[in-house]
Amino acid sequence: GESVGLHLPTLSVQEGDNSIINCAYSNSASDYFIWYKQESGKGPQFIIDIRSNMDKRQGQRVTVLLNKTVKHLSLQIAATQPGDSAVYFCAVPDSGYSTLTFGKGTMLLVSP
Amino acid sequence: DAGITQSPRHKVTETGTPVTLRCHQTENHRYMYWYRQDPGHGLRLIHYSYGVKDTDKGEVSDGYSVSRSKTEDFLLTLESATSSQTSVYFCAISGQGPDGELFFGEGSRLTVL
Repeated sequence: GESVGLHLPTLSVQEGDNSIINCAYSNSASDYFIWYKQESGKGPQFIIDIRSNMDKRQGQRVTVLLNKTVKHLSLQIAATQPGDSAVYFCAVPDSGYSTLTFGKGTMLLVSP
Repeated sequence: DAGITQSPRHKVTETGTPVTLRCHQTENHRYMYWYRQDPGHGLRLIHYSYGVKDTDKGEVSDGYSVSRSKTEDFLLTLESATSSQTSVYFCAISGQGPDGELFFGEGSRLTVL
């Protein structure tokens, strides 16, 4: 099955800083990657995705970078705000595209 | 917000009792999933469905069964609850399966004493 890991369980930043959350994956054939955000007491919510034919994709204040050579992706949040405090998960589909495997998550703590 | 309703939202039960969690959607999405979330383990897939009466096992399916008799409802049953099944359970739906966005419910917190 898929193995998805995150480098840091908790990331603490100051409001206004840029945040970088990392994720490693094991299957070099993986071709689709997704980031989810989970606020306290709520279900995860889709943030941004990227396919393997891209190295970078930008959204509103978020950028996902994909390095297929080292099987690593990162989520960058610009000008982090207190409302960004949440747990962030990367996720990859299994090879049959029937299920989604989530990493264990990184908790982002933003202090004013 | 996607129309997903989980019930009950909170439940406390005793070891050995049966428990059924319900996921109801109003989006007519084909795919439905049950995940459990535990500290240190993230989200782990229990069972999923890719259509009415079409279900399959996920990573942690032991002790759980599911049923999907109509598009809008996906039931998760613990035949005989154990303390190890104390968790937060999330239902998710998708029109495209993993090749697209999953929409999650608000979660059901189950405590097995």
